[in-house]
Amino acid sequence: QQQVKQSPQSLIVQKGGISIINCAYENTAFDYFPWYQQFPGKGPALLIAIRPDVSEKKEGRFTISFNKSAKQFSLHIMDSQPGDSATYFCAAPRNTGFQKLVFGTGTRLLVSP
Amino acid sequence: GAGVSQTPSNKVTEKGKYVELRCDPISGHTALYWYRQSLGQGPEFLIYFQGTGAADDSGLPNDRFFAVRPEGSVSTLKIQRTERGDSAVYLCASSASRGGEQFFGPGTRLTVL
Repeated sequence: QQQVKQSPQSLIVQKGGISIINCAYENTAFDYFPWYQQFPGKGPALLIAIRPDVSEKKEGRFTISFNKSAKQFSLHIMDSQPGDSATYFCAAPRNTGFQKLVFGTGTRLLVSP
Repeated sequence: GAGVSQTPSNKVTEKGKYVELRCDPISGHTALYWYRQSLGQGPEFLIYFQGTGAADDSGLPNDRFFAVRPEGSVSTLKIQRTERGDSAVYLCASSASRGGEQFFGPGTRLTVL
């Protein structure tokens, strides 16, 4: 089974700091890389996504960096806030052209006040 | 506008019983997905509908699981002869088109005693 490997499993960051979560994928045919944010008791919500024709995408405090040669992509949360405390999942489609998503195992982020 | 809704939010059943989980996608979304999320894990793909037909059911774990979407809108996931290992959160997602961004519902937490 094609996998997406995510790290770290958990992360504690002080308010105002930078949170960094990494993912590695196997299939070079993957063409869409979303990050989802999930709060307890809620479904995952799309946070930001990137396609491999760009190396970086920024939306507000959230940035995806993409390294195609290394088959890695990462999420950076700048000026982390306590409200960012949640579980973050990277994902990739199992097949091209159709987003049957394969998810990483998740990173529990805690931003301390 | 309304997001994806799922009912019930919680379902407790006994081993061997039959359960139905319902998903109401975002109005007009043609693609619908079911995922299963076990504690501490990322969502795992179960089945994908495009319109009324199941375009890909490769994630269904066995023949006790079945899903329908008879009119191309609401979908029902059906589980026969439930087992304790079926306990998980069942998530539904929809997208405006095949390959479009997926929007998740809050999930149904199924507990099999």
